Amino acid sequence: GQNIDQPTEMTATEGAIVQINCTYQTSGFNGLFWYQQHAGEAPTFLSYNVLDGLEEKGRFSSFLSRSKGYSYLLLKELQMKDSASYLCAVRDPGAGSYQLTFGKGTKLSVIP
Amino acid sequence: GAVVSQHPSWVICKSGTSVKIECRSLDFQATTMFWYRQFPKQSLMLMATSNEGSKATYEQGVEKDKFLINHASLTLSTLTVTSAHPEDSSFYICSANGADHYNEQFFGPGTRLTVL
Repeated sequence: GQNIDQPTEMTATEGAIVQINCTYQTSGFNGLFWYQQHAGEAPTFLSYNVLDGLEEKGRFSSFLSRSKGYSYLLLKELQMKDSASYLCAVRDPGAGSYQLTFGKGTKLSVIP
Repeated sequence: GAVVSQHPSWVICKSGTSVKIECRSLDFQATTMFWYRQFPKQSLMLMATSNEGSKATYEQGVEKDKFLINHASLTLSTLTVTSAHPEDSSFYICSANGADHYNEQFFGPGTRLTVL
């Protein structure tokens, strides 16, 4: 089976740093993705990790440890527009066709 | 980046009618398209995977006769919700992979379906 866990909600202050964790147990692994989704909109791609380590892209960074089945998304210099849900998704080659399995998402609220 | 469009963006229909949702890849050829459903405050649930020119693969619990998927070309997939009922009201989102976009699924803007 496949199981992806992430916190349901988080709150952080504008200008601060926040880390959103994701743990996964899947039968196979071929990459972990982070997506941002604003209410009523489709997800937008943030990052992709397939090897262990940190990937940095501007204010957003994503880390992966395959041995621990763990990833986090780090958001720096938080802005009000960062208030959204953040979805962790794992690609399992056994599921076929680059299929992704999504976690339930973490709703981040950025407050002044 | 690659762009995926969906049409319509929202639709309201009566119970018992059928609704067709289109998903198009605008600037790349989508070898695989995915259809998701998302209920309020929940995550995306994969409904089916479709490859151009072949039958869609449905996830467990998704009725293939109710949710008809056609992927007739490399740029177009359609989802038809047949005999819609109020419990089918949801946010339907498609995404696409292309041969040159292995590491990323590009999502359409979604279609909000409300069945009265």
